[in-house]
Amino acid sequence: DGGITQSPKYLFRKEGQNVTLSCEQNLNHDAMYWYRQDPGQGLRLIYYSQIVNDFQKGDIAEGYSVSREKKESFPLTVTSAQKNPTAFYLCASSNPGQGGFQPQHFGDGTRLSIL
Amino acid sequence: GQNIDQPTEMTATEGAIVQINCTYQTSGFNGLFWYQQHAGEAPTFLSYNVLDGLEEKGRFSSFLSRSKGYSYLLLKELQMKDSASYLCAVLLRTTDSWGKLQFGAGTQVVVTP
Repeated sequence: DGGITQSPKYLFRKEGQNVTLSCEQNLNHDAMYWYRQDPGQGLRLIYYSQIVNDFQKGDIAEGYSVSREKKESFPLTVTSAQKNPTAFYLCASSNPGQGGFQPQHFGDGTRLSIL
Repeated sequence: GQNIDQPTEMTATEGAIVQINCTYQTSGFNGLFWYQQHAGEAPTFLSYNVLDGLEEKGRFSSFLSRSKGYSYLLLKELQMKDSASYLCAVLLRTTDSWGKLQFGAGTQVVVTP
């Protein structure tokens, strides 16, 4: 079945450590997105990519980095510069260029905690 | 800035109807989406409105008034499985992309027996 796979489901980070969250999609979608969700808050956009080898900062990009070397993959690195990384991270994809308004489809998320 | 408001929590009885309101003040508007999110899970797409009026999809309906910056999601014949958070999201028109979603904080709906 087509879908978006995020791994791992749970991740723990030590102080000063970088960690990378994986996101893979087999929906043949052009655009991919990373969101952060904190308790009682809506989803906030970290980074997004509309095409391979291109990406843009979202509203809260500081302390994060991404790459888009393949259409299917959009990994997110949470760097040590992100001082409050504990959150639920969601990856999404869509095909906005297809015409009409295509909804974003989400992965099951990765819950990151600090040790 | 972008502002999207929806109530924090609503409680309703099984079999009843609940209406979740969403008001928005955003720079640029390309449509409004509603998502359902169960605790600890991914949001799933429910509905989309770009023109004024009502869109009906089974037990769920969504309404949009662009002039008032207002939308609602109507859930009919509530079932226990409808207990979830409902997210309102505005698709913002941008000059450098196909558009970005701006989410409200979500409304937690609690369905009681």
